Amino acid sequence: NAGVMQNPRHLVRRRGQEARLRCSPMKGHSHVYWYRQLPEEGLKFMVYLQKENIIDESGMPKERFSAEFPKEGPSILRIQQVVRGDSAAYFCASSPDAQETQYFGPGTRLLVL
Amino acid sequence: EDQVTQSPEALRLQEGESSSLNCSYTVSGLRGLFWYRQDPGKGPEFLFTLYSAGEEKEKERLKATLTKKESFLHITAPKPEDSATYLCAAYTGGGNKLTFGTGTQLKVEL
Repeated sequence: NAGVMQNPRHLVRRRGQEARLRCSPMKGHSHVYWYRQLPEEGLKFMVYLQKENIIDESGMPKERFSAEFPKEGPSILRIQQVVRGDSAAYFCASSPDAQETQYFGPGTRLLVL
Repeated sequence: EDQVTQSPEALRLQEGESSSLNCSYTVSGLRGLFWYRQDPGKGPEFLFTLYSAGEEKEKERLKATLTKKESFLHITAPKPEDSATYLCAAYTGGGNKLTFGTGTQLKVEL
């Protein structure tokens, strides 16, 4: 049973470009979560989605960031007009139901030049 | 505000030297306390879930316990391969997000 998959694993963008991060949850999991880990900081919640719905986006910056989890295909975290402060590791997790154990992917490391 | 605090920040042990990592939490309506292991450059790997005070879980050299205010991760006779950052996280009552501590970086030396 494949785990949570994320791609790309590493992404380099110049300031002002767009970054698209993809996450495929574990088989049978319909709940997806995105977290960000800044250097020397802990994991911070960004957004929680179920298929086609955003349930909680309280941790996501109001501007430039968006997330989706379409009926078909992976969840996407999109960052528009990236700035250097967006450089971080972005982790996706999935769970079979709400408030159950979350299983994490390997992360996407974003570097903004 | 919900808070999860881990101590110590870093811990250096000799192989075979047992110790404990602490996770204290202040959350409204704890729905689960989670322990993860994170190796450099990788995602958190699930270890344990604890739901109620008094609960204990074991896996190889690791044992997790939970009280009403804190959780401990006991490491018995550690080996160098146990070196990693150990993360503690809690589900909070109203939502479905995990609030993480900043982790304990464990180094086990020969």
